Amino acid sequence: AQSVAQPEDQVNVAEGNPLTVKCTYSVSGNPYLFWYVQYPNRGLQFLLKYITGDNLVKGSYGFEAEFNKSQTSFHLKKPSALVSDSALYFCAGGGNTNAGKSTFGDGTTLTVKP
Amino acid sequence: DAGVTQSPTHLIKTRGQQVTLRCSPKSGHDTVSWYQQALGQGPQFIFQYYEEEERQRGNFPDRFSGHQFPNYSSELNVNALLLGDSALYLCASSLIRDRNPNYGYTFGSGTRLTVV
Repeated sequence: AQSVAQPEDQVNVAEGNPLTVKCTYSVSGNPYLFWYVQYPNRGLQFLLKYITGDNLVKGSYGFEAEFNKSQTSFHLKKPSALVSDSALYFCAGGGNTNAGKSTFGDGTTLTVKP
Repeated sequence: DAGVTQSPTHLIKTRGQQVTLRCSPKSGHDTVSWYQQALGQGPQFIFQYYEEEERQRGNFPDRFSGHQFPNYSSELNVNALLLGDSALYLCASSLIRDRNPNYGYTFGSGTRLTVV
């Protein structure tokens, strides 16, 4: 069985400060990990994914994520937060990039205050 | 280039009724997955269709069924609706053999189903 956990329901940061949204995973075999963002009344938007290779993955809108195999973590990061980054963020994992089902965490609400 | 299109956007049904939700995948995509997102939770995988067949299924009862058409569009059918089926239903499309690191699933905006 595979699972993804987002230990924080909410993260608050000040604009301009670095942000981190945490994710840990339990996936059999080689993990395929994703981050998505969801704005109110909208579907999920893809930010980035880890398949293999470099542990630091760069994605859309200046976001990046660090894959840490020993800690089974895949935290989302951004060096300087914007108010417009405020949204609901989901981490997801699976055993295949596209052909397999993805297991999503319950989401973390990011609030960036001016 | 149109993304994933879902219809209807909102729907209200009565307990025991049946509902059909529709999804048109992003142009060029061949795989459609359906997810149920209850309020305050992450999406949960229902099933995935490729080449007009159900390829994988999550932990959902047989009341949930689907179909994929030759043009890759898909329908999700739910029979004997329960109050607990109220949720946002998301459709996601992808290209099954896509190894591009810059893309994941493309999600639609969802259908908000309310069962009363």
